[in-house]
Amino acid sequence: QVQLVQSGAEVKKPGASVKVSCKPSGYTFTDYYIHWVRQAPGQGLEWMGWINPNNGATKYAQKFQGRVTVTRDKFFRTAYMEVSRLRSDDTAVYYCARDGPDRGDLRFYFDFWGQGTLVTVSS
Amino acid sequence: EIVLTQSPATLSLSPGERATLSCRASQSVSSYLAWYQQKPGQAPRLLIYDASKRATGTPARFSGSGSGADFTLTISSLEPEDAAVYYCQQRDNWPPFGGGTKVEIK
Repeated sequence: QVQLVQSGAEVKKPGASVKVSCKPSGYTFTDYYIHWVRQAPGQGLEWMGWINPNNGATKYAQKFQGRVTVTRDKFFRTAYMEVSRLRSDDTAVYYCARDGPDRGDLRFYFDFWGQGTLVTVSS
Repeated sequence: EIVLTQSPATLSLSPGERATLSCRASQSVSSYLAWYQQKPGQAPRLLIYDASKRATGTPARFSGSGSGADFTLTISSLEPEDAAVYYCQQRDNWPPFGGGTKVEIK
């Protein structure tokens, strides 16, 4: 069965960086894009960017360009999302999600999700 | 920028009743619209994509309709486990998600 397992909760100070990992299983890692979506406490969903695990191509929401970097390691079949220059309003649950439901094409729907990683930014 | 406006903000209904959730786009998104269900403390779950196609595992009581700029998610007969926030999402522009509709079961 398809699963995406994310790294654990983080507490960071303003100005620091955080890197969250996402390890899918149950399908071929390079066959589906991976997206990152965040959700601030009590708020809605905010799409951040995607990566093509096959060739490493990325695209980011303009709001996050220059401050968010999404990468992948094909050998370890893991995707990563790093946010730099953290601010208090970056406090959120960060999700990775698989693009779906079709293999290969970018459909920009999110058919399987990780469990979420809470990142708290506080001095 | 395409803005998705969901209504109502909150819907409070009894088990067995029909729930109708609306998602209106500020411009046409063709049929490229999805619906997600999110329960407290959980990740969202894809219910419907391409406006009307059920994702794997979505119960038949959930149906999606619409095209262009007006979309509807219908839950034909509410179950207690349907209490959640429902988000619509388009794929053409940022921001992709609507603000959500909270469904409460009386």
